[in-house]
Amino acid sequence: DVKVTQSSRYLVKRTGEKVFLECVQDMDHENMFWYRQDPGLGLRLIYFSYDVKMKEKGDIPEGYSVSREKKERFSLILESASTNQTSMYLCASSFFQGARETQYFGPGTRLLVL
Amino acid sequence: QKEVEQDPGPLSVPEGAIVSLNCTYSNSAFQYFMWYRQYSRKGPELLMYTYSSGNKEDGRFTAQVDKSSKYISLFIRDSQPSDSATYLCAMSYSGNTPLVFGKGTRLSVIA
Repeated sequence: DVKVTQSSRYLVKRTGEKVFLECVQDMDHENMFWYRQDPGLGLRLIYFSYDVKMKEKGDIPEGYSVSREKKERFSLILESASTNQTSMYLCASSFFQGARETQYFGPGTRLLVL
Repeated sequence: QKEVEQDPGPLSVPEGAIVSLNCTYSNSAFQYFMWYRQYSRKGPELLMYTYSSGNKEDGRFTAQVDKSSKYISLFIRDSQPSDSATYLCAMSYSGNTPLVFGKGTRLSVIA
């Protein structure tokens, strides 16, 4: 059974703090993704990675960075958290970037920035 | 115009009803079409996957793609309270491009 785990289910941080969100997958997938999900805006792609140390910007990369030092782990970093980054963050992984292989999602991290 | 449009609902139906969920899209280059189901406080999970036009059936679920109208549908027969969730359509241009998601439709099936 494919498993994508995220380090925290709920997180509360203060404005200006540096925030790390960790994602780990156990299926040897090449591709990993970070999305945020907001009411009325749906799922929006922040960054994705198709290989170790590789990264591509998604639709809303501003204010975020990512790190992929190992194939199974993809980290999302908020360098200086702001209140407009309060959101649900979802990590996903797949063998291919598109649809030939399904994307498997983690349970999500609800981040509140005060 | 957004690339993918999906009515957010909420949609409320009685148990046993046939449910129709729809998405329209603007880019005729989309070839791969998916439906994801997301329960409250969980990540989305793949429900149905279709390549190009046509129908696909899996139990009580049927996915339809009409590329000429740029319209995809998900039908749920004999709906159950356990089908209550948010349903997201997703599509991509090829096997090597990220998915583009609709905003999701929240469905409630009332017992």
